[in-house]
Amino acid sequence: QKEVEQNSGPLSVPEGAIASLNCTYSDRGSQSFFWYRQYSGKSPELIMFIYSNGDKEDGRFTAQLNKASQYVSLLIRDSQPSDSATYLCAARNTGGFKTIFGAGTRLFVKA
Amino acid sequence: DTEVTQTPKHLVMGMTNKKSLKCEQHMGHRAMYWYKQKAKKPPELMFVYSYEKLSINESVPSRFSPECPNSSLLNLHLHALQPEDSALYLCASSQETGWGEKLFFGSGTQLSVL
Repeated sequence: QKEVEQNSGPLSVPEGAIASLNCTYSDRGSQSFFWYRQYSGKSPELIMFIYSNGDKEDGRFTAQLNKASQYVSLLIRDSQPSDSATYLCAARNTGGFKTIFGAGTRLFVKA
Repeated sequence: DTEVTQTPKHLVMGMTNKKSLKCEQHMGHRAMYWYKQKAKKPPELMFVYSYEKLSINESVPSRFSPECPNSSLLNLHLHALQPEDSALYLCASSQETGWGEKLFFGSGTQLSVL
């Protein structure tokens, strides 16, 4: 079974801090990686995607990918209470068609 | 228009009922998906349609029957469901089915089977 694994948390950070979310994957054929944010009772919303090794920044979000270590991370700078949600890491391999999700990490940002 | 619209938002049905979930997108996407999500669990892939043809069925029980009438619409027909089928059913679409494709989700249908 191809898996994407995340620490379920909860991860609690104070407002204004950096939140660091981590993810590992087992399928070496995985080519693209996604971070989705899901508020309770709502559907997942794409916030970042990364295809190449290294860092990718978009506003307060930075995604990091290390294919050799099969490791993906998401950094959220200047965390806000509105960032409190479950963050789902997802991967898609060279065959396409399927996006496989990790179990998600719950993030709480304390005001 | 960057929306995927799902109806109904909530559905309660008995085990002998027949109901349908509907999904619509007008982004010109050629791939559409059904996912099932139980509480505090990740979305699990059920079906993938590509260019209106069923490409993937993740060994889903036959009481779930998908249909793609055209490139914008996706239905999920439900019949003789079990209480354990209660979950959030998510429709998603993507431009194509390649490895780099990003999924766009609808708001989901919260299904309760009594």
